[in-house]
Amino acid sequence: TQLLEQSPQFLSIQEGENLTVYCNSSSVFSSLQWYRQEPGEGPVLLVTVVTGGEVKKLKRLTFQFGDARKDSSLHITAAQPGDTGLYLCAGEMGSGGYQKVTFGTGTKLQVIP
Amino acid sequence: DVKVTQSSRYLVKRTGEKVFLECVQDMDHENMFWYRQDPGLGLRLIYFSYDVKMKEKGDIPEGYSVSREKKERFSLILESASTNQTSMYLCASSFPGGARGGSGELFFGEGSRLTVL
Repeated sequence: TQLLEQSPQFLSIQEGENLTVYCNSSSVFSSLQWYRQEPGEGPVLLVTVVTGGEVKKLKRLTFQFGDARKDSSLHITAAQPGDTGLYLCAGEMGSGGYQKVTFGTGTKLQVIP
Repeated sequence: DVKVTQSSRYLVKRTGEKVFLECVQDMDHENMFWYRQDPGLGLRLIYFSYDVKMKEKGDIPEGYSVSREKKERFSLILESASTNQTSMYLCASSFPGGARGGSGELFFGEGSRLTVL
């Protein structure tokens, strides 16, 4: 059973459209990270959210951590072809040096020019 | 530049063979992780380690073991490879966040694609 469920699994949209990706769990996390992965490479961190209800913006990307720290969303405004990739959320459990990071099922985004 | 290096990009092995996947990081990170990535399942945690000689089971440890004899190196071992272990394997390392002062960001290698025939 996957601890973190992402939806949708696939998304194909036209350039300029908006979209939202969801990351849901029944577990509480100390922090939630979002990564993007391009073909042939490892995932690269986009953002980390730590506080329940926190909202972070990275240019056209807006990330929100749920109040109960069990879920998160990623909203992209006016999507560009360069946004194409696999988006992964990752929940962190543990404190101090002990860090267990569990990834979601992934959302594959294609932005068509 | 931060660097996580995985020993092999592509491997083809036969059922029952012993397989070693090596991962080395040059950032003096304390935490290291092994994941496997399959379509529709995201990344699933196999094992992780938060210190030398320390290891913890992840979510899917069955059929795998690990070794961390040195801080910079984390090895994944398949004692007897099976066809259902055909997958992309990703290694990552991090410096723990929170009170330890790091960001908790995971740095990944490029992956090792294993095919078991």
